[in-house]
Order: sequence, then C-alpha cells, then structure tokens
Amino acid sequence: KNQVEQSPQSLIILEGKNCTLQCNYTVSPFSNLRWYKQDTGRGPVSLTIMTFSENTKSNGRYTATLDADTKQSSLHITASQLSDSASYICVVSDRGSTLGRLYFGRGTQLTVWP
Amino acid sequence: EADIYQTPRYLVIGTGKKITLECSQTMGHDKMYWYQQDPGMELHLIHYSYGVNSTEKGDLSSESTVSRIRTEHFPLTLESARPSHTSQYLCASSESRGDVNIQYFGAGTRLSVL
Repeated sequence: KNQVEQSPQSLIILEGKNCTLQCNYTVSPFSNLRWYKQDTGRGPVSLTIMTFSENTKSNGRYTATLDADTKQSSLHITASQLSDSASYICVVSDRGSTLGRLYFGRGTQLTVWP
Repeated sequence: EADIYQTPRYLVIGTGKKITLECSQTMGHDKMYWYQQDPGMELHLIHYSYGVNSTEKGDLSSESTVSRIRTEHFPLTLESARPSHTSQYLCASSESRGDVNIQYFGAGTRLSVL
C-alpha cells in the first residue's frame, strides 16, 4: 500500500530558530516528491518539487532533501518567522498512471512563537 | 500565485439542502481535481477530470457529483447534504512539466452541515 508518513505530527519553535521536518514514503514507482505549505483555512501552496535524481532543493529559507534509496525526505526551515506557522505537507507522486496520482501525508503542524 | 478560485469560502447549511461548490481556473489546465480534507488529516481525492466531458471518481467514495462542461469550470454538487459531509473541500488544477504534474490549489470551501 502506498503511504506517506510525516513526523513530528506537531512542532513548536521560537522565532529565529531552525527546524527539520521528516517524511518517509513507500510510494512506488516513484516519480517526484513535493513539500506544500498550508495555512489554516487555505489551500496548499507548493514549496519544492524533487524528482528521483535530485538530492536537495532550496526555496528561500526552505531546503528540502531527498534520499530515494531510503525513501526519506526532510524539509529544513532556517531562521523561522511567525509567518512560517502552518501545516507542512509531504506529497509523493507515482509514475504509474497518466494522472500522476498524488499521495498525501497528514502534515506537520508547525507553530512559531515570538 | 495560482489563478484558481473557489466559492463560497465558507458555507453553513441545514440537512437535506442541495449545494454546489464552485471552482474555476483561468490557466487553461485540462486536469482538475476535488479533494476532501478533515482537520489534521490528509487530503483525499474524491473526483478528477482529464478535460471537458471527462469525470472520474477518486480514491475516497463520495456522494457528491461533478461536471466538466467547460475547461475552466469544475463544480461539485451535493444533492442532499448531511452532517457527515461537513469537511473542507479543495479544488485543484494541474499542468505537466515534463514528467512532473504540477498541481495548483484553490483556497478551499469549508462546509458545515447542521
């Protein structure tokens, strides 16, 4: 069964600190992995997308890593800001269908305190 | 910023009412999707469309129906709403960049059925 597991479920950090969110997946055949940021009551917004051959990708203060051998990914947030408070969702796409089916994790709820 | 719009943003209705959730995108995307998301849970695909006059059911069984008469419009209808339909409904459309299917999400409709 294709699954995406994220940890921790929730995380509280102080403004200015760094944090790392984890994602493990069993989706196969693997196509790509995305990290989305979802603010409360809003739709997800894409942060990074990585294909099989990419090990790391950055988007400002967000850096995602991918180890396709161990099927693990991480999202590192540097110098956190209050606006980083959101749910961060790991999404894995397979390449077994034209649709490019997406498998969603439950997200890590990040809260940044001043 | 994605050009995909959902209305209404919030809806509170009584049991038995018929409702239609609107979703429109101006990006000319052929593929569109509806997801259902309960608080703290992952997104579940309930409907998708490859293009005009094409609609398919997703992974999660839903009593809702969809139609795709125009490329830009993908409304979701519940003929008789029930409290079990209370949830957030997210619409998305996608474009293909090589092997990667990029999905853009609307802000969502939060539905409460009393």
